Formats: sequence, C-alpha cells, structure tokens
Amino acid sequence: IAGITQAPTSQILAAGRRMTLRCTQDMRHNAMYWYRQDLGLGLRLIHYSNTAGTTGKGEVPDGYSVSRANTDDFPLTLASAVPSQTSVYFCASREGLGNEQFFGPGTRLTVL
Amino acid sequence: GQNIDQPTEMTATEGAIVQINCTYQTSGFNGLFWYQQHAGEAPTFLSYNVLDGLEEKGRFSSFLSRSKGYSYLLLKELQMKDSASYLCAVGRGSTLGRLYFGRGTQLTVWP
Repeated sequence: IAGITQAPTSQILAAGRRMTLRCTQDMRHNAMYWYRQDLGLGLRLIHYSNTAGTTGKGEVPDGYSVSRANTDDFPLTLASAVPSQTSVYFCASREGLGNEQFFGPGTRLTVL
Repeated sequence: GQNIDQPTEMTATEGAIVQINCTYQTSGFNGLFWYQQHAGEAPTFLSYNVLDGLEEKGRFSSFLSRSKGYSYLLLKELQMKDSASYLCAVGRGSTLGRLYFGRGTQLTVWP
C-alpha cells in the first residue's frame, strides 16, 4: 500500500459503546492528525501527534483519546460514544519538514 | 475558533476565472493553506503561503496578505472537474501542522 488507510469505511454504533477508528500510513511521516468533518462546520482537529510516543489535544478533544505507539499507526478511540460524535473522521499525516498534510479516505460514523 | 471566513457557495462557467476569498483573525500565524475536496472524498493539498505575495502553480494561484489577514485562491481556465469544496486553513502556534479550517466554499462549474 502507499499512503494512508482508515478502517472501518463506515460504522453504525449504539450510544455508550466503545469504538476505535484505525489509521495506518506507510510513508514514515512523523506527524499524524485526527479531524472530524461536520456539515456546516468544516474540519476540526481532534488530536495530533508530532512523533511516535507523543500526542496533543486539538480543538475538540473531549470524548476522544489517541495513542501513538509507533510511527505508522494512530488509532482514535471513543470510550463511550454519544450521538453528537456522528461525523466523518479523517486521519492525516505530514512529513517532518513538509507543509502538506495527506488525508486518508475517511470513516463515516453514525452513533444512534 | 480562529474566525476564518470564506463564502459558502460560488458558481462559474467553464473556461472562466474565479477568485475565492478567505479572511482570518488569529495569533501565532504560521501559514495559510488551501485544500480541495470533492464530494465524498478526502481533502487534497493545493497550496501553502507563509510570506506575502502570489504563489502560482499551473491553473491555480494563491495570494496572501498577512497585514490584512487575507488570502485568495485563483482558479483559471475552469474545468468541470474543478467543481468541489475549497477549504482555507490557517496554521497557528509553534506546533507545525495544527491547522484551523474555514467552513469551505462550494464551487460549481457550469458548462
């Protein structure tokens, strides 16, 4: 593979359930990001990681957690999903000295 | 938020030129980005400006005025495939890559 993959493509989830969205990149990029995109609100940063072993909070981190055990993987976990977390989630990565962020294909999540 | 404003919708005809404006208010500015997003797809990078002036890349150009908090994306020789949402994003703070996006401008190109 080349680029960023996300799984699942889409998911319907009952409120209160735990869910992990997966993101894997094979470009050896140091920095990775999680965004949510909602109609009328645009893309908003949830969490980010500048390098393996470090993470930081973005604009809308509440209700989400991330980990960065290695360079390639950056999973996003919803500990107890709520309907307001219904959204399209995009993972992105960036090379250390570059400006361009490469986005994955997205995960469409519906919480009922 | 970071007070990033851009028009919600724009329309133009094939072959024409269109300018999409973006204004922002932020501290710790470290760059202005434009992304293109087709319906149902991921955003893709178009341009990056950190200094004042015009950056040209093929049919697309991007302009930045830091003192005015203003940028525009200029699309020339419009094609049907340019119909998409165009996202303005501001980089802020000492952490590179932390982007704040506007709500996007939906451009429709008519034949």
